Amino acid sequence: NAGVTQTPKFRILKIGQSMTLQCAQDMNHNYMYWYRQDPGMGLKLIYYSVGAGITDKGEVPNGYNVSRSTTEDFPLRLELAAPSQTSVYFCASSYSSDRGDGYTFGSGTRLTVV
Amino acid sequence: GENVEQHPSTLSVQEGDSAVIKCTYSDSASNYFPWYKQELGKGPQLIIDIRSNVGEKKDQRIAVTLNKTAKHFSLHITETQPEDSAVYFCAASSRTGGFKTIFGAGTRLFVKA
Repeated sequence: NAGVTQTPKFRILKIGQSMTLQCAQDMNHNYMYWYRQDPGMGLKLIYYSVGAGITDKGEVPNGYNVSRSTTEDFPLRLELAAPSQTSVYFCASSYSSDRGDGYTFGSGTRLTVV
Repeated sequence: GENVEQHPSTLSVQEGDSAVIKCTYSDSASNYFPWYKQELGKGPQLIIDIRSNVGEKKDQRIAVTLNKTAKHFSLHITETQPEDSAVYFCAASSRTGGFKTIFGAGTRLFVKA
């Protein structure tokens, strides 16, 4: 199992450009998440999905969009990139259960908007 | 809104000493409490977790305790080693009334050889 795979690892965008951060998991997890981590800060939830075709907003969704057409993939789309979106982005997944589950995180995408 | 407070933000210990990181949560519906370790340049990795029906859990040199009445839980690392140096995050998760997992702000642990 590769776990959670994120691409690219690094990216520099110019203000106003768009890009898609890719995330794929091979553990047949139902739940997938996108977090951003600013320097010295904790993790803020951007969007999450409880299964294919179902997505919902997290704490900081503005400026981002997601889709979940398959169980495996959960891409994050940035439209009109802004300097405030400079951050490290982590994708994670978990197998849903009523009692709670730990997350498996990807290795992250470091994004700089200039 | 709901939140998780984590202390201290930075912790420096001598190799072989113990380290304790504490978290307090506000959502009384929280029932699952994981801890993650994040090494430099990597994603967080689950190291131990505890559910609300358990007061303490141990895995080799790490242990977690939970006090539901006081709404706080702690991570204990004994016999620290330089490879324990990392950022540690606590989280509180609830499935009641919808999906919700809140992370603490993290503790940077330095273990001096």
